[in-house]
Amino acid sequence: DGGITQSPKYLFRKEGQNVTLSCEQNLNHDAMYWYRQDPGQGLRLIYYSQIVNDFQKGDIAEGYSVSREKKESFPLTVTSAQKNPTAFYLCASSISGSTYGYTFGSGTRLTVV
Amino acid sequence: GQQLNQSPQSMFIQEGEDVSMNCTSSSIFNTWLWYKQDPGEGPVLLIALYKAGELTSNGRLTAQFGITRKDSFLNISASIPSDVGIYFCAGQLRAGNNRKLIWGLGTSLAVNP
Repeated sequence: DGGITQSPKYLFRKEGQNVTLSCEQNLNHDAMYWYRQDPGQGLRLIYYSQIVNDFQKGDIAEGYSVSREKKESFPLTVTSAQKNPTAFYLCASSISGSTYGYTFGSGTRLTVV
Repeated sequence: GQQLNQSPQSMFIQEGEDVSMNCTSSSIFNTWLWYKQDPGEGPVLLIALYKAGELTSNGRLTAQFGITRKDSFLNISASIPSDVGIYFCAGQLRAGNNRKLIWGLGTSLAVNP
């Protein structure tokens, strides 16, 4: 079955550590996105990529980094520079230029302990 | 980043009641999308709208693309407990540029059996 997989579902990180969230899709979509979700704040765009080896900052990119070495994969690293990293992170993909919207993964909940 | 005005922010209704929510913007959109997010999961696309005035149904859900292209409405008829979740609207500012999905903050729906 085609889909988009995020792992792990729950992640705990000690303050000051970097952590990488995985996102893999087998939908043959060109474009991939990372969103952060906090209660009452909707979805905020962190980074997006429309083709391999290229990505752009979204609205809240500070403290995050990404790579897009393969079409299927778009990992997100939450660095120690992110001051408030505890949140629910959503990865999505789409056909570039499509008007059919995004397919989302099931999310990763990151908690800093 | 830009956001849509989505209302109401939350609703608590009795099973069997009808529900209405809407999104408005100062910008003109080419596409309106409605998503539902179950607790702890990623959003799932419910309805996509592509033409001003378009009225589209998906089971008990009906959505409309406003005639001014600056708003959209979602109605749920005869609500059931599994309708619980957060409903998001999203608009696409111009065709062919899927990055430009602008999101509402969501309507949280609770259904009392």
